[in-house]
Amino acid sequence: DTAVSQTPKYLVTQMGNDKSIKCEQNLGHDTMYWYKQDSKKFLKIMFSYNNKELIINETVPNRFSPKSPDKAHLNLHINSLELGDSAVYFCASSQSTDNYEQYFGPGTRLTVT
Amino acid sequence: GQSLEQPSEVTAVEGAIVQINCTYQTSGFYGLSWYQQHDGGAPTFLSYNALDGLEETGRFSSFLSRSDSYGYLLLQELQMKDSASYFCAVRRDSSYKLIFGSGTRLLVRP
Repeated sequence: DTAVSQTPKYLVTQMGNDKSIKCEQNLGHDTMYWYKQDSKKFLKIMFSYNNKELIINETVPNRFSPKSPDKAHLNLHINSLELGDSAVYFCASSQSTDNYEQYFGPGTRLTVT
Repeated sequence: GQSLEQPSEVTAVEGAIVQINCTYQTSGFYGLSWYQQHDGGAPTFLSYNALDGLEETGRFSSFLSRSDSYGYLLLQELQMKDSASYFCAVRRDSSYKLIFGSGTRLLVRP
């Protein structure tokens, strides 16, 4: 039983393409997040949704657009991919916004060539 | 501004005790979390401190001093499987988000 799952696990694509990463959690949590981890392992929050409502929108290029069709799913769409977008993207969830324990998905390693 | 500082790398021997420090400067403070991440894996939650003092969970303990803006993770009876990166993360009281440190890579040698 996977708690937080992401697809795909690996994504290799060329500059200028558009791609999506999907995330699903079966924990019944209300809050979901997208993080970006760069090559130096620095982990940075990008977005957060609580019950399908956007509550955190960090300073990321507007080429990145999250979408939450329901509280168990949070997808990330990236337009016009650039070399600097290469990173590992983690989805995470927590029971609520007040809950400090976040459960992370396995990550999606995005490589832009 | 906000910043968290951790040592970049720590090496220790199997069976030993190691302490990973974290100092923070944030505009607000709600609590300090610790996460473990093995190479190629996902971060996993270890502990959380909102109040001063020591929290113990098995071989791992976490300490917080709010007045010193300082915390540490203590790992006892080190095992080879403890080789991983350890991140401290601050939750500010004005926001729901976690601000992560740059991580400490722990290498446990036989």
